[in-house]
Order: sequence, then C-alpha cells, then structure tokens
Amino acid sequence: EAGVAQSPRYKIIEKRQSVAFWCNPISGHATLYWYQQILGQGPKLLIQFQNNGVVDDSQLPKDRFSAERLKGVDSTLKIQPAKLEDSAVYLCASRHSGKDEQYFGPGTRLTVT
Amino acid sequence: KQEVTQIPAALSVPEGENLVLNCSFTDSAIYNLQWFRQDPGKGLTSLLLIQSSQREQTSGRLNASLDKSSGRSTLYIAASQPGDSATYLCAVNRDDKIIFGKGTRLHILP
Repeated sequence: EAGVAQSPRYKIIEKRQSVAFWCNPISGHATLYWYQQILGQGPKLLIQFQNNGVVDDSQLPKDRFSAERLKGVDSTLKIQPAKLEDSAVYLCASRHSGKDEQYFGPGTRLTVT
Repeated sequence: KQEVTQIPAALSVPEGENLVLNCSFTDSAIYNLQWFRQDPGKGLTSLLLIQSSQREQTSGRLNASLDKSSGRSTLYIAASQPGDSATYLCAVNRDDKIIFGKGTRLHILP
C-alpha cells in the first residue's frame, strides 16, 4: 500500500511570496489533515477535511492560508503572502473512516527568508 | 484546553540500556493516545496506539502504558539500539482532534 505522498519536499521563498504544497493521501482514506510543525514543537493541526468538505479549520490563519480538496482525494495548501514565522514543516496525514490511526507523509520543509 | 507535556526534552543513554519516556496530559477525557517516532527530515511513524479503555500496548521492544485517570503515559524501550535514536512524540486524541507534545529527542550512544 502506497503511503501519503507530499511535494515538494523542500521549498525556500522570500517573505511576501506565495507557495503551494500538494498532498496525495492513501487510497480510500476519506479524512485528510494538514499540520504545521515549527522546529522544536509538536505538529499543530491547521485544517481537517472529510472527503471534500472542511471539518475543522479553526487554527488556520485564513488571512494568508487556504486549502482545498476539490475531488475528495488530493489536497493543496497555499500560503499567500508568506511571513518569516511560516518557516516550518508542513505535514499531511490521512485516515480511513472507522479506523483510529492517522498516517503521515514525509512533510514539506518551508524556509521563508 | 488539552495540554500535552513530555519529559525529558532530550535524553542520551548508552546502547543496551532500558529507558522510559514520559508523557502527561491535562484532560483525561481522551479517546486514545499514540506514540510516534520522527526521524530528522522525515514524517511521523506510529509506534503504538492505546485506546482509552486499555492499560498498555506492546510491540517488540516497545511497551506503552496509559493511566488515563492520572493523565500519564510512558513509553518503555528495552535493550536500546543506535537505530532507536529519533524524536518520540506523544499525542492524545479526542473527537478526532490530535494534540501533540513537543517530543523527547533520544540519542543512543554506541
């Protein structure tokens, strides 16, 4: 079974630029999560999708962050414009309905200069 | 508001020793608790998941315990190996919302 795929793995941008991350969850997993992990911290949930609907985006900075999962499979997370404090690893995870375990992708490491 | 604390923040032990990592959480109303491993530059790998009704789970050299009433969990690693060097994260789940601790950075000395 293929795992959660994310791209790119690394990205360096200047502040005020835009960036987008892509996630392909495990096939058949209806629930998809985006997390932000700042260096030395645990991951923090940004947004949770159930199929193509948003379940929880209470911690998403909506003035600059957006995410979508149009066909209920792949998802993109966008930051526009980026700030220095957005430097972090962005992790995508997915979960099969009726199961407890979340499976994580390798993450995208974003550096904002 | 749920808070998850992991102690110690970092730990170095000689190869072959047994060790314990600690996790505490402030709200005992959890659905389950997971221990994850994170290698540098990598994502998270689930090690053990304990349901709220369970007391412990075992996988190979790993044993995780849960005392929900006191808000504590431990991860026991037996006969540590250099390959065990990584960051270990504890996470509690309620209503499909996972709250992570900051992790313990473990270094096994050859």
